Amino acid sequence: AQSVTQLDSHVSVSEGTPVLLRCNYSSSYSPSLFWYVQHPNKGLQLLLKYTSAATLVKGINGFEAEFKKSETSFHLTKPSAHMSDAAEYFCGNFNKFYFGSGTKLNVKP
Amino acid sequence: EAGVAQSPRYKIIEKRQSVAFWCNPISGHATLYWYQQILGQGPKLLIQFQNNGVVDDSQLPKDRFSAERLKGVDSTLKIQPAKLEDSAVYLCASRFNRGEHTEAFFGQGTRLTVV
Repeated sequence: AQSVTQLDSHVSVSEGTPVLLRCNYSSSYSPSLFWYVQHPNKGLQLLLKYTSAATLVKGINGFEAEFKKSETSFHLTKPSAHMSDAAEYFCGNFNKFYFGSGTKLNVKP
Repeated sequence: EAGVAQSPRYKIIEKRQSVAFWCNPISGHATLYWYQQILGQGPKLLIQFQNNGVVDDSQLPKDRFSAERLKGVDSTLKIQPAKLEDSAVYLCASRFNRGEHTEAFFGQGTRLTVV
């Protein structure tokens, strides 16, 4: 069975500093993974997806994620946080469209 | 292009009452999902439809939850009778097909409070 684990339930950063949201996966074969974002009172929106074409995936709003098979990780990063990035972020896999437990990102001015 | 529409946006009911949620997916999307999102948790898949057939309902509590998609377009999710622990946001999502990596588009959800 495939599953994902989001290692942090809350992350707080200052505006202009880097963002790192961690996601590990468990899979008996190469997974297909995604990150979705959920802003307050808005629907979930796809940020980016990994489908084995390239290990470094670029998404919307300056986010990117790197698939590391040796570490079974798919961490989400952004070089410089904006206030508008404050939201909840979900890692998941395309198998049954399964979602992790989420990481709430707080951005301080 | 219109997005996934859900109604109502909010619903408050007493335990043991019944409730129904409605979802209109994006036109042409064959795959439809219902998720339950309890506060502080990630969305949990309840049921997946491909056109009007059920693909996966392994996590649907079938003693009280039911869902249908009779004509392969709109879908309804029903809870009867509701329990306090059913308080959650119920999300509907649709995809163009069940292709491996196609994006799913989500509605804004129905927030259910059971008192």
